[in-house]
Amino acid sequence: SQKIEQNSEALNIQEGKTATLTCNYTNYSPAYLQWYRQDPGRGPVFLLLIRENEKEKRKERLKVTFDTTLKQSLFHITASQPADSATYLCALEQNSGYALNFGKGTSLLVTP
Amino acid sequence: EAGVAQSPRYKIIEKRQSVAFWCNPISGHATLYWYQQILGQGPKLLIQFQNNGVVDDSQLPKDRFSAERLKGVDSTLKIQPAKLEDSAVYLCASSAPGQGANGELFFGEGSRLTVL
Repeated sequence: SQKIEQNSEALNIQEGKTATLTCNYTNYSPAYLQWYRQDPGRGPVFLLLIRENEKEKRKERLKVTFDTTLKQSLFHITASQPADSATYLCALEQNSGYALNFGKGTSLLVTP
Repeated sequence: EAGVAQSPRYKIIEKRQSVAFWCNPISGHATLYWYQQILGQGPKLLIQFQNNGVVDDSQLPKDRFSAERLKGVDSTLKIQPAKLEDSAVYLCASSAPGQGANGELFFGEGSRLTVL
């Protein structure tokens, strides 16, 4: 069966450090992978999409890598800030043209 | 641009009662999704519409859940009768034409259901 695994443990880091979140998947052949941010009581908000032929993508302080051989994506937040505290969700499409499946998410807490 | 609208935001019902949730997607978005998010879990797809046709409802518990998208715009998700395990946040999302699931999803704020 298809699985998306994210760090189940919450990640606590100090402000200014780089946060690295992991997304591993099995039984997917994704053309792309997406990352979303979710704040408590809110719906997920799209952050980044990375395609299978892209090794790395950046947006401001965010960097995503995608290794289809390892079946893994890493999500980095550099110079982290307390405002980055949220749950981060990894998502893959079930099959081409179909909806996204989401991982459980990783909770990130950035302390001053 | 207005976002995805959902109502009600919160609903508390007794088990075996019924409940309905409403979603208005972003104008012009052909694809609409309903997800269920149980506390501590990621969103789980219940149903995907393309215009007013169903693309995927394989994970919708059809003995108690139903959804419709008349006229290809607004959508309603109904649960009847509700069970305790239906307590969750019901998220509606939409995506633009030409993108479908190959682009970002825009989520509403969700409808939180508590079944007592």
